[in-house]
Amino acid sequence: NAGVTQTPKFRILKIGQSMTLQCTQDMNHNYMYWYRQDPGMGLKLIYYSVGAGITDKGEVPNGYNVSRSTTEDFPLRLELAAPSQTSVYFCASGRHQETQYFGPGTRLLVL
Amino acid sequence: DAKTTQPNSMESNEEEPVHLPCNHSTISGTDYIHWYRQLPSQGPEYVIHGLTSNVNNRMASLAIAEDRKSSTLILHRATLRDAAVYYCILRASGGYQKVTFGTGTKLQVIP
Repeated sequence: NAGVTQTPKFRILKIGQSMTLQCTQDMNHNYMYWYRQDPGMGLKLIYYSVGAGITDKGEVPNGYNVSRSTTEDFPLRLELAAPSQTSVYFCASGRHQETQYFGPGTRLLVL
Repeated sequence: DAKTTQPNSMESNEEEPVHLPCNHSTISGTDYIHWYRQLPSQGPEYVIHGLTSNVNNRMASLAIAEDRKSSTLILHRATLRDAAVYYCILRASGGYQKVTFGTGTKLQVIP
């Protein structure tokens, strides 16, 4: 199993641009999550999904959108990128309320 | 939401045991205690979890106080590879509960 994979690894965006962060898991997990981690800080939940077709907001959803059309994929969309969205983004998956498995992260710089 | 409190940082000598404390005085009866760690430039990884009894696995041991208001993650012999940020989090059983990753404890291992 590849586990949780994320693309791209690193991206530079200009203010106002849009992009989609990709996340895929091959463990047939129903729960998937998106977090952001600012320098020296803990993780903050952006959005989560409890299954295909079901998503909900986390702590810091503003400026982001998600979709979950399949069990495997959970893309995160940034519309109108802002410098405040400069961060490292982690995707995670898990079965019900059990262990979360994290991807390697995407480093995003908005200039 | 039940919260956890951890020291910001700790040091340990290599090959000595490390005891990482976590206070969770507002824990509810259905909250599981989970520990994750985050190595530099990587996503968090699961370490161990428990409910009431002490738990052991190949990575660490988890000692839970009788009143469950505190717990301790024990690394039996610290290695340089154990240098990471360790997060103590609470997860309720049943349904979805938003999980908060605090700032954790940064463990430095001294050769």
